Amino acid sequence: GIQVEQSPPDLILQEGANSTLRCNFSDSVNNLQWFHQNPWGQLINLFYIPSGTKQNGRLSATTVATERYSLLYISSSQTTDSGVYFCAVRTGANSKLTFGKGITLSVRP
Amino acid sequence: KAGVTQTPRYLIKTRGQQVTLSCSPISGHRSVSWYQQTPGQGLQFLFEYFSETQRNKGNFPGRFSGRQFSNSRSEMNVSTLELGDSALYLCASSLGIGLNQPQHFGDGTRLSIL
Repeated sequence: GIQVEQSPPDLILQEGANSTLRCNFSDSVNNLQWFHQNPWGQLINLFYIPSGTKQNGRLSATTVATERYSLLYISSSQTTDSGVYFCAVRTGANSKLTFGKGITLSVRP
Repeated sequence: KAGVTQTPRYLIKTRGQQVTLSCSPISGHRSVSWYQQTPGQGLQFLFEYFSETQRNKGNFPGRFSGRQFSNSRSEMNVSTLELGDSALYLCASSLGIGLNQPQHFGDGTRLSIL
């Protein structure tokens, strides 16, 4: 099946810093989503971005489908950005998402 | 518009028991998928239901089963619980299968096996 690799596995930032989170995938996809999982386990949709670039406030994402990677940018990080960021992809006609192992982000005040 | 609702939020069971978890999708969504999250294995796909039929299944033993009702609500059942079944169980809904649109997740049910 498709492989999803996220890097770096862990990231520590000082509040106000910027960061880039990467997601590589091994095959063509028709769906790519970025999620933020907070300390309570809630998986929050950040972006649905099978291709192109989107922005939402301090967050933006870019997917280059032909090169099989996606990037999540966090600018002016805040302590509330802490948590685990997951990239998940879908191939084929069903709804199964394959998740990466996640990137644990800690933002220090 | 209400999000995906999962009940209960927390559950404690003992080995050998069985458990049923419930998921109500976003109104109008007809596809429901279930995932298991553990520290060791991460997020893994369990199964997907659409129009009351299982459309896709992950690599889990037969103790894990599910169903979907005519109103798109879904339940998953785990029988003969084992310690390794302790996990966060997440449900996701989407408009339908074969459509390129996002999945939306509920807050999960945290299952602890003693």
